[in-house]
Amino acid sequence: KQEVTQIPAALSVPEGENLVLNCSFTDSAIYNLQWFRQDPGKGLTSLLLIQSSQREQTSGRLNASLDKSSGRSTLYIAASQPGDSATYLCAVKEDSSYKLIFGSGTRLLVRP
Amino acid sequence: DAGITQSPRHKVTETGTPVTLRCHQTENHRYMYWYRQDPGHGLRLIHYSYGVKDTDKGEVSDGYSVSRSKTEDFLLTLESATSSQTSVYFCAISAAGTVTNQPQHFGDGTRLSIL
Repeated sequence: KQEVTQIPAALSVPEGENLVLNCSFTDSAIYNLQWFRQDPGKGLTSLLLIQSSQREQTSGRLNASLDKSSGRSTLYIAASQPGDSATYLCAVKEDSSYKLIFGSGTRLLVRP
Repeated sequence: DAGITQSPRHKVTETGTPVTLRCHQTENHRYMYWYRQDPGHGLRLIHYSYGVKDTDKGEVSDGYSVSRSKTEDFLLTLESATSSQTSVYFCAISAAGTVTNQPQHFGDGTRLSIL
């Protein structure tokens, strides 16, 4: 059974710092991996989607990498800002499945 | 924002009553999903739909039913609500399922409390 883990559960950094959020999954037979952002009381906003054949995706200050063989993905945030404060979730889509399997998220606080 | 509207946004009801949550989309996407989000469990799929009148169970479907009579609407029904179904419910849509890499887009959620 696929399990997705995100460590740490919470992270507090000063503004301007570069940071890395981690996501690991137990079964490498994934179709894609998606990173989301969730603000308090809100739904999820899709940030990046990496196909299983890709190694990384970039959008602005965000860069997501994928290493299927080791079951890991990282989300790199450059030059963090207080507006980046949110919970970040990763989710994998398994082959031949419609569903996404989510990690529990990393709650990020960027201090001014 | 993807055109997804969930209603109601908040609801408080009593154990044993029926509850229906509505998800409405304006994107004409084929696939729609219902998730619940609980502390310590993350988001879990309840049911999903791959077309009008085509639905299937997710990992936590017991106690829930769904219906999709139109492309734009996906209803989630709790036939007889229990306290364990207190949660935040999210609807999501995507343009396609397994064969292409389209992301899922989420609504703002419905906070449901069952007393």
